[in-house]
Amino acid sequence: NAGVTQTPKFQVLKTGQSMTLQCAQDMNHNSMYWYRQDPGMGLRLIYYSASEGTTDKGEVPNGYNVSRLNKREFSLRLESAAPSQTSVYFCASSEAQLAGGYEQFFGPGTRLTVL
Amino acid sequence: KNQVEQSPQSLIILEGKNCTLQCNYTVSPFSNLRWYKQDTGRGPVSLTIMTFSENTKSNGRYTATLDADTKQSSLHITASQLSDSASYICVVSPRGGKLIFGQGTELSVKP
Repeated sequence: NAGVTQTPKFQVLKTGQSMTLQCAQDMNHNSMYWYRQDPGMGLRLIYYSASEGTTDKGEVPNGYNVSRLNKREFSLRLESAAPSQTSVYFCASSEAQLAGGYEQFFGPGTRLTVL
Repeated sequence: KNQVEQSPQSLIILEGKNCTLQCNYTVSPFSNLRWYKQDTGRGPVSLTIMTFSENTKSNGRYTATLDADTKQSSLHITASQLSDSASYICVVSPRGGKLIFGQGTELSVKP
């Protein structure tokens, strides 16, 4: 089992460019999440998908869109990248919603720089 | 406002020594409290998950404690190893809400 995989590992964009971050999990989990991590700050939730076919905004959704393509895959899209979106992005998954005490598994992260 | 605060921000200890990391939270009511370990350049990995009714939970050399009355948790690391060098993150799950992450404590274990 690969767990949670993310592509790409690194990316450099110019302001205004668009890109999609890919995430896939092979644990048959229902819930998936996108976070960003910035220096000196805790992880912040961008979007999440409680189950296939549903998506909801997290704490910092502005400038991002998501697609739950199927049960395995959850992508994050930046339509017009801005320097403020320079960050490390983590995808995560869990069997069900986290208030139920389910363990959350994280991918290795994508390090994004916007110039 | 729901918050999770960790102390110290960073810590340096010698290999073989014990250490304790602190977490204070204002989240109420909450479902569970988690501790994660994050190695440099990698995603967080779950160490322990405690419900509000649990006082302690262990995972090898890691022991987490929870005092729901004072809204404090601690993570105790016994007989530290060089591989324990990482960021340790306290995370609280409000009932029906999303995880709230602390900023983490950066632990460095020196030989």
